[in-house]
Amino acid sequence: SQKIEQNSEALNIQEGKTATLTCNYTNYSPAYLQWYRQDPGRGPVFLLLIRENEKEKRKERLKVTFDTTLKQSLFHITASQPADSATYLCAPWDNYGQNFVFGPGTRLSVLP
Amino acid sequence: DADVTQTPRNRITKTGKRIMLECSQTKGHDRMYWYRQDPGLGLRLIYYSFDVKDINKGEISDGYSVSRQAQAKFSLSLESAIPNQTALYFCATESENTEAFFGQGTRLTVV
Repeated sequence: SQKIEQNSEALNIQEGKTATLTCNYTNYSPAYLQWYRQDPGRGPVFLLLIRENEKEKRKERLKVTFDTTLKQSLFHITASQPADSATYLCAPWDNYGQNFVFGPGTRLSVLP
Repeated sequence: DADVTQTPRNRITKTGKRIMLECSQTKGHDRMYWYRQDPGLGLRLIYYSFDVKDINKGEISDGYSVSRQAQAKFSLSLESAIPNQTALYFCATESENTEAFFGQGTRLTVV
């Protein structure tokens, strides 16, 4: 069956460090994958989209990689700030069902 | 104004009651989605629609129904609410192969 795993339910890091979040998927061959940020009680907000023919995508302090062989995406936040504290969701595109499927999320806490 | 608006934002209802959650969008997108979110389970897809005449079941459609009244409007109904339908519900809209825009959510409690 199809499955999406995100490395840990919660991740604590020190301000200024790089946060690395992992998304692994099985039984998917997504044409692209998205990352979203969600704050408590709010709807997810789009951050980045990476396609299967792209190895890496950057946006300001954010970087996403996509390894279709490993079936894994890594999401990096460099020079992390307390304001980056939130839950981050990965969402591979399900080519068969023609919709996004969301991972359970990783709750990131950046400590001052 | 928000791109995706959900009403109501909060609702408490009794077991067995029929309830409708409404969603409207101003993005002009054809694709619309309904998700529910439970702690530890992430977002799970209930129903989705790629245009007014297209309705598809998602992962957890049992106990729910939808109506796509117009391109901009997509409603979710619980015909006979039960306590395990207590959750945070999100509507989203998306243009093909691009980012999704989510509403602010409806917190539903079934007592």
